[in-house]
Amino acid sequence: NAGVTQTPKFQVLKTGQSMTLQCAQDMNHEYMSWYRQDPGMGLRLIHYSVGAGITDQGEVPNGYNVSRSTTEDFPLRLLSAAPSQTSVYFCASSKRTGNTEAFFGQGTRLTVV
Amino acid sequence: AQKVTQAQTEISVVEKEDVTLDCVYETRDTTYYLFWYKQPPSGELVFLIRRNSFDEQNEISGRYSWNFQKSTSSFNFTITASQVVDSAVYFCALSEANFGNEKLTFGTGTRLTIIP
Repeated sequence: NAGVTQTPKFQVLKTGQSMTLQCAQDMNHEYMSWYRQDPGMGLRLIHYSVGAGITDQGEVPNGYNVSRSTTEDFPLRLLSAAPSQTSVYFCASSKRTGNTEAFFGQGTRLTVV
Repeated sequence: AQKVTQAQTEISVVEKEDVTLDCVYETRDTTYYLFWYKQPPSGELVFLIRRNSFDEQNEISGRYSWNFQKSTSSFNFTITASQVVDSAVYFCALSEANFGNEKLTFGTGTRLTIIP
């Protein structure tokens, strides 16, 4: 199984550019989330989704958009990149029920110059 | 609001020593879940344990053990007979019962270095 797949793994953007970080899971998980990891700050929740068509904001949503048109995909859009968005981004998925873990992708390292 | 505190930013121990990583949490919920994740130098996040707030029994898995104490709002992680492969950043996390796994609050992590 592929699990949670994030693309790209590395990206350099110029300030003001837009891009989409892709996240796909093949486990038929209802829940998906995006986190960013910054030095000394742990992981912080950006947006999350409890199912197709349903999304909500996390702790640090400003500057990011998401949509969930299918169960499998949960893309994260940066509309106008800023240096403050330089970070490592992780996508996670999990089942709605049961004593289960959240599965994380390998991460996307984004640098905004 | 929920909060997870990992006061130990960095810990270094000599191989084969035991080491305990501290995790203190804050939540107003009576039902919640606690997690530990490992992030090795390669960068991925590896799930270690998930514990719900009604289960205060300590858990042991090989060299790993977890001590959950609701009275002190702590969920500490002990590695016995540490090995170089244990070197990583360890994160403690919390989620409200209503949200399950999609809305985790992480601590800032503890970087553990095992010295050969």
